[in-house]
Parts: sequence; structure tokens; C-alpha cells
Amino acid sequence: GAGVSQSPRYKVAKRGQDVALRCDPISGHVSLFWYQQALGQGPEFLTYFQNEAQLDKSGLPSDRFFAERPEGSVSTLKIQRTQQEDSAVYLCASSPGARETQYFGPGTRLLVL
Amino acid sequence: ILNVEQSPQSLHVQEGDSTNFTCSFPSSNFYALHWYRWETAKSPEALFVMTLNGDEKKKGRISATLNTKEGYSYLYIKGSQPEDSATYLCAFWAAGNKLTFGGGTRVLVKP
Repeated sequence: GAGVSQSPRYKVAKRGQDVALRCDPISGHVSLFWYQQALGQGPEFLTYFQNEAQLDKSGLPSDRFFAERPEGSVSTLKIQRTQQEDSAVYLCASSPGARETQYFGPGTRLLVL
Repeated sequence: ILNVEQSPQSLHVQEGDSTNFTCSFPSSNFYALHWYRWETAKSPEALFVMTLNGDEKKKGRISATLNTKEGYSYLYIKGSQPEDSATYLCAFWAAGNKLTFGGGTRVLVKP
């Protein structure tokens, strides 16, 4: 069956530009997670949705980061006024429930120049 | 802040050799430990979910052990093959719904 997909796979942005990253989870998965992976490090938690409710956004690094999942399926991570330190791989994962195995997408590699 | 560490950061293995590497995590408030394999340009793939002290899991030539009392897990690859080349990530699950990842061990199997 179809796994988690993310788009775009690669994004180059000029500093100050806004970007939107999309995640299509596995159909029927209630839980959706966003992670940020900086070069040479492990993924770090950004935010968590249960259906359309954003239950935890404690990992979002600044108020320039915003995530939504309005209909409980597709999610978008938006970064406003991008900075060079935002350059990273952004991973999305979904799971049937909050404490079940997470299935990851291939990530979006963001480079801010 | 939870501290999850993996060592070594990278290792080179000759094809056919066996290898192992470590994930260390807090020994308190343990719920589960996950192992993922992440090949270049692909999605991280779940290998194991380990929940009980003394757990041993096996998938083909890859196996893992868990010691929750001392806070470590080993992942073993027996008879390494080039297709085993990947970054292996462990992730610790304590209270709440967040996974805390280690930095990964990058394995390169040389033919």
C-alpha cells in the first residue's frame, strides 16, 4: 500500500522567503508527527497531531514555524521568513495511534541561501 | 531534555563480517525503544520496537537486545552485506507521545 509521501522532496529558498512543506500520511492514520533533522544529528520532534487537533507543538523552534492538519489527513508545515539555520531535512511520520510504530516519509530537504 | 546517544557515529565493515553498535538512553520512565534503518534517499524504515527488559528481536541477519535497567540497546548485523549500508537510528519513548532520537550510526559495508 501507499506509504507516507512528502512534497517537495527538495526546496531551495532565499533567506526571508516563506515555504510550505506537505505531508500525505497513510490513509486512516490518526497520529501525525513532524521532525527536523539538522546535518549530522538525529531527527528532533517538532509537533504532533491527533486527527486535526495539534496536541503538542513544543518542539517548534520559533513562531515562524506553523503546522496545520485541517481535515485530519494531509498536513502542511509552514516556515515564514526562512533563515539559514532552518536548513535541514523535515520528516513527517504517521501512525495508527499515538503510541504505535511511526511510519516515515522520505523527507523534504530544505536549503536556505 | 532526554539524552539518547549512539556509538559509534560511523563504521566501515567488510562484506561478510559481523558488527554491532550501541544506543544508550535514560533508564527511568522507559516505555519503548525503536530502531530504524534509513537508507539514502529513502524513508526511515522501522526495524524493531522493544518494550521489555531483556527483549531480543531478530529480523533476518539483524537482531537487537535491550537492557532497560542500565539504559542501553545493542543492534547486531551478522554477515554484513552491501545492502545493509544505511544509517541506523534508535529512538527512545518515555512519557508523552514524543520519540527522542539518537544521532544515528552510519554503517558502510565494503564489498
